[in-house]
Amino acid sequence: DADVTQTPRNRITKTGKRIMLECSQTKGHDRMYWYRQDPGLGLQLIYYSFDVKDINKGEISDGYSVSRQAQAKFSLSLESAIPNQTALYFCATSDPTRGNTGELFFGEGSRLTVL
Amino acid sequence: ILNVEQSPQSLHVQEGDSTNFTCSFPSSNFYALHWYRWETAKSPEALFVMTLNGDEKKKGRISATLNTKEGYSYLYIKGSQPEDSATYLCALYQAGTALIFGKGTTLSVSS
Repeated sequence: DADVTQTPRNRITKTGKRIMLECSQTKGHDRMYWYRQDPGLGLQLIYYSFDVKDINKGEISDGYSVSRQAQAKFSLSLESAIPNQTALYFCATSDPTRGNTGELFFGEGSRLTVL
Repeated sequence: ILNVEQSPQSLHVQEGDSTNFTCSFPSSNFYALHWYRWETAKSPEALFVMTLNGDEKKKGRISATLNTKEGYSYLYIKGSQPEDSATYLCALYQAGTALIFGKGTTLSVSS
């Protein structure tokens, strides 16, 4: 079983719908992240959290919100999905007690298509 | 917003060729530089994490160097193989923040 699990893995939805992507981890890491991948754009940081209740905006937070209610869970919401939010979304974790280099451990990705 | 630049954007080589990519980043507040390998339909996989100026790391045919004073890192692949085909991502870490990635270099190796 994966240490960082994302659900759903694939989702097709319509413009204006509310969508939630869930991420759970069994690594015991305090820090969790959401990134978005678009072809030719690498990984762009959406939001990150260093602890329960801690939320920080990333490079492209507009149109997204997150919730960190437990150490192991970090969810990403699109309140009203739009087609340019069609992308591959990655959740990741890190452990600052291991050398604090920011090394990330990724989930398997959630592919979202907004029609 | 940090600006992490990678070049070239894409590269096509023949099997057996050696190749290299560049990552440039702002040198202020440097903490660590990461290289990841990402294959389509998989999760990014960490290759190297480098923290010290002059660091050189090697894993098989792949190696990387780091110059924090001038703000660049090189990734080298010796004797490219088709299985090396992937997108190589560079990312900068400043303490207390999150990794900021470049746009990646997509390598295609033909047999």
